[in-house]
Amino acid sequence: DVKVTQSSRYLVKRTGEKVFLECVQDMDHENMFWYRQDPGLGLRLIYFSYDVKMKEKGDIPEGYSVSREKKERFSLILESASTNQTSMYLCASSLPRRAGELFFGEGSRLTVL
Amino acid sequence: AQRVTQPEKLLSVFKGAPVELKCNYSYSGSPELFWYVQYSRQRLQLLLRHISRESIKGFTADLNKGETSFHLKKPFAQEEDSAMYYCALGRNNNDMRFGAGTRLTVKP
Repeated sequence: DVKVTQSSRYLVKRTGEKVFLECVQDMDHENMFWYRQDPGLGLRLIYFSYDVKMKEKGDIPEGYSVSREKKERFSLILESASTNQTSMYLCASSLPRRAGELFFGEGSRLTVL
Repeated sequence: AQRVTQPEKLLSVFKGAPVELKCNYSYSGSPELFWYVQYSRQRLQLLLRHISRESIKGFTADLNKGETSFHLKKPFAQEEDSAMYYCALGRNNNDMRFGAGTRLTVKP
């Protein structure tokens, strides 16, 4: 089974702190994604990556950056956390030839005070 | 621009009743449509995709290009179907856009 692991299930940070959310997948998937999940808004795509060192902006990239130095790892970075970034963050991965089949992590719930 | 609309945030039915979760999309290209489900305390997972034309857990979904819809249907709802359901649109067979989701509750 594909395993997508998000290192932190729950985080509490203060406004202005730098936050790192880590995601690792173990099935050699080329595609990786970061979404945020908010009630009433569903999943919104922040960034995605087709390959190592490649990244593409999604619909809401403002206030976020990403890093993909290795194929299995995709990190989401909040340079200066703000309260409106309090949310559930979901990482996912997929193969290019089966791109619609996303495998999700359990999520990281971030609270910014 | 591509968009996925799920008009119902909440849907409640009784066990054994038919259920239909609505999904409409807008996309200028050839769409790839999917339904994802998230059960309580579980990961979001793929339920079905339009290209497979399959039935999963009794659910089916037909792509209607004329109405730009991809509604999810099940003739007889079960309590274990209670979950959050998301419709998703695949663009260029890579990045995916999701709707706002519909929370389905099946009452006994």
